Amino acid sequence: GENVEQHPSTLSVQEGDSAVIKCTYSDSASNYFPWYKQELGKRPQLIIDIRSNVGEKKDQRIAVTLNKTAKHFSLHITETQPEDSAVYFCAPGNTGGFKTIFGAGTRLFVKA
Amino acid sequence: GAVVSQHPSWVICKSGTSVKIECRSLDFQATTMFWYRQFPKQSLMLMATSNEGSKATYEQGVEKDKFLINHASLTLSTLTVTSAHPEDSSFYICSASVAGPAPDTQYFGPGTRLTVL
Repeated sequence: GENVEQHPSTLSVQEGDSAVIKCTYSDSASNYFPWYKQELGKRPQLIIDIRSNVGEKKDQRIAVTLNKTAKHFSLHITETQPEDSAVYFCAPGNTGGFKTIFGAGTRLFVKA
Repeated sequence: GAVVSQHPSWVICKSGTSVKIECRSLDFQATTMFWYRQFPKQSLMLMATSNEGSKATYEQGVEKDKFLINHASLTLSTLTVTSAHPEDSSFYICSASVAGPAPDTQYFGPGTRLTVL
């Protein structure tokens, strides 16, 4: 089955700095690569996703890059703000037999 | 659009009782619904996948006789925790996906916090 690893598990940055979280997966059939943000006690929210026919996608301060050969994709947040503080999960999936395995999560702290 | 609700949002029950959690897609018909469990400071663990009108597919280690899933319509799935015990206390989250150009997009419910005394 799919093995998903996220690094780092905790990330603390100063407001305005950039944050990068990496997700490594094992299933070469994975073709859908989303990132979710979860605030304490709330549901996960999709913040950005990418499919395997694209190498990079950007939405304002958030970007995702994909390296299918190396089987990893990364979340990039620029100009971080205190409200970006949350837990971020990657969840690579396969639209064919669709099943999502969540990474362990990265707790991001943005210090004002 | 694509709103998923869960009911109840929280529940406290005595050990040995059963608890039913509902997951509804409010403004769309969900092809597939998923049930996750999340313990404090941990990730979401997929429990089962269900398609309308068919039996749920359970993940390894999840007891299907303890966690009963019913998916009677394209807008409603229920999870019943039977004979609940304190170790079943957790945050249960459902999600729904839609057939179409992006079948892999999941829409999450707000979660149900279960506490078993």
